[in-house]
Amino acid sequence: DVKVTQSSRYLVKRTGEKVFLECVQDMDHENMFWYRQDPGLGLRLIYFSYDVKMKEKGDIPEGYSVSREKKERFSLILESASTNQTSMYLCASRAGLGFSNQPQHFGDGTRLSIL
Amino acid sequence: AQTVTQSQPEMSVQEAETVTLSCTYDTSENNYYLFWYKQPPSRQMILVIRQEAYKQQNATENRFSVNFQKAAKSFSLKISDSQLGDTAMYFCAFMNTGNQFYFGTGTSLTVIP
Repeated sequence: DVKVTQSSRYLVKRTGEKVFLECVQDMDHENMFWYRQDPGLGLRLIYFSYDVKMKEKGDIPEGYSVSREKKERFSLILESASTNQTSMYLCASRAGLGFSNQPQHFGDGTRLSIL
Repeated sequence: AQTVTQSQPEMSVQEAETVTLSCTYDTSENNYYLFWYKQPPSRQMILVIRQEAYKQQNATENRFSVNFQKAAKSFSLKISDSQLGDTAMYFCAFMNTGNQFYFGTGTSLTVIP
């Protein structure tokens, strides 16, 4: 089975702090994704990456950046945390670059609170 | 951009009964994939079932089946013989030929003993 591991289940930070959320997958997947999940809004894509050192903006990239130095690891960075970034953050990975029925595989999520 | 609509924020069903969750989507593409994901309380989101747009036959996975109506752009999920473990948030997702995923806002399903 695919294993997508997020470094923290719960995280509490203060406004203005730089926050790092880490995600590691063990299946050599090319694609990795960061979403935030808010009640009534579903999942919204922040950033994704289809290769090492490659990144693409999703629907809501403002206030975030990402890093993918190794294939298995995809980090989400909140440059200066704000209270409106309090949310559940989900990491996902997906195999292959072509158009196929490969699904996304998700981590357990990180519930981030910014005080 | 594609949109995915789940019009039922919350639903409930008696244990052992059947329930159908609705999902509609908007796209101009002819080829795509559709997925249903399940997110149990405080647990990982997992794939329930998937459907290729070019296949007319509806996908089935044990107690889970879909009713895929391509012309109507509808992709509903039917859960038969509902079990307590089916209690979860269910998300419908659309994937286009650019491998971009779009998720609905979710339906919270509660199975009542």
